Amino acid sequence: AQTVTQSQPEMSVQEAETVTLSCTYDTSESNYYLFWYKQPPSRQMILVIRQEAYKQQNATENRFSVNFQKAAKSFSLKISDSQLGDTAMYFCAFMRSSGAGSYQLTFGKGTKLSVIP
Amino acid sequence: DTAVSQTPKYLVTQMGNDKSIKCEQNLGHDTMYWYKQDSKKFLKIMFSYNNKELIINETVPNRFSPKSPDKAHLNLHINSLELGDSAVYFCASSQGKPIYGYTFGSGTRLTVV
Repeated sequence: AQTVTQSQPEMSVQEAETVTLSCTYDTSESNYYLFWYKQPPSRQMILVIRQEAYKQQNATENRFSVNFQKAAKSFSLKISDSQLGDTAMYFCAFMRSSGAGSYQLTFGKGTKLSVIP
Repeated sequence: DTAVSQTPKYLVTQMGNDKSIKCEQNLGHDTMYWYKQDSKKFLKIMFSYNNKELIINETVPNRFSPKSPDKAHLNLHINSLELGDSAVYFCASSQGKPIYGYTFGSGTRLTVV
């Protein structure tokens, strides 16, 4: 079974600073996908960034980037120039095929990020 | 123009009642899912359907019964509600390419009193 571990239950960062959220996962699969989702107080689940396991290049989306270390099974999220709107729960997630066109997302327990003015 | 819509957004009900949560997606996705988010924010898959066929059925009490009348709809019916069923229930959908992840609905907060 796949497991996703986020070792930091809570973090805080000053506005405009950079913060890194950790994520490790355990799998025997060779082909999989990794995601970071954000859940603000509104409760909506918002996709932040995605990575295909077979791609060596780290994904970036504006102020968000990842450090993907496949051998170490690590997938950390870096947020640069933190903004107040980044305050949210952040979930790391692992996706694999469940067959018949279905893909199962397994989530970590989340990191609550607070951006301080 | 909501992509994945769930109704209702909030549901408060008494123990022992039966309730349903509806989900509809207008994205043309083939696969839909139900996830449960508990009070500690942990998200766990309950069911997935691909084109009306049940694919994933995790260890969920059989008081929970999903129904997919067509590939755009996946409803969740819960019988004999218990206090422990209080949670936020998310519907989601995905298309054939996994790299796009899921598109989630806004969630239904169920409170059993």
